[in-house]
Amino acid sequence: DTGVSQNPRHKITKRGQNVTFRCDPISEHNRLYWYRQTLGQGPEFLTYFQNEAQLEKSRLLSDRFSAERPKGSFSTLEIQRTEQGDSAMYLCASSLVAGGEQFFGPGTRLTVL
Amino acid sequence: AQSVTQLGSHVSVSEGALVLLRCNYSSSVPPYLFWYVQYPNQGLQLLLKYTSAATLVKGINGFEAEFKKSETSFHLTKPSAHMSDAAEYFCAVSGSGGSNYKLTFGKGTLLTVNP
Repeated sequence: DTGVSQNPRHKITKRGQNVTFRCDPISEHNRLYWYRQTLGQGPEFLTYFQNEAQLEKSRLLSDRFSAERPKGSFSTLEIQRTEQGDSAMYLCASSLVAGGEQFFGPGTRLTVL
Repeated sequence: AQSVTQLGSHVSVSEGALVLLRCNYSSSVPPYLFWYVQYPNQGLQLLLKYTSAATLVKGINGFEAEFKKSETSFHLTKPSAHMSDAAEYFCAVSGSGGSNYKLTFGKGTLLTVNP
């Protein structure tokens, strides 16, 4: 059990560019969550998957955001046409079962210039 | 709908003193409650959780929290602060049923420990 991993750890991009983040959950965890954390705030829920199915998306997730979890393993979060307001820490978490402890990855810090 | 209010964005204590971090929640369903700790540039680590069993919950590193339904509170305490406790602490709530269990976090409390 190597924990939840996220790549890259840091991403600096220019406004208008597309970025993609990857999350590798703990193996056999069927639930995967994405959260966003801005400076001075707690994490906010974005979306979650049960296996490969995306079951809920927050209103925070505009149409520029898309998340996938092919084959129910790793997940990607893509942001198209990035804006300065997208600058944040993007956190991924996984849990073995519904209601189980969510284990968090170290996050990907996005800076949009 | 659920929400969490953490009273005090910054708490400062002396090493060896009592740590008390306050959390009040609002939930339309019986809640699950959590305390997480976040060290700089790291993800969140679970300290403890309440899932409708014992109201006094013991966690890692000597922390504990008590669920008080009448006060809608879940305050975090530690009898004696250690320098290594300096970090940001987040209280979170989720529903205890349904299919989601997404976490709703408070804004966090930064704990500093003075020597």
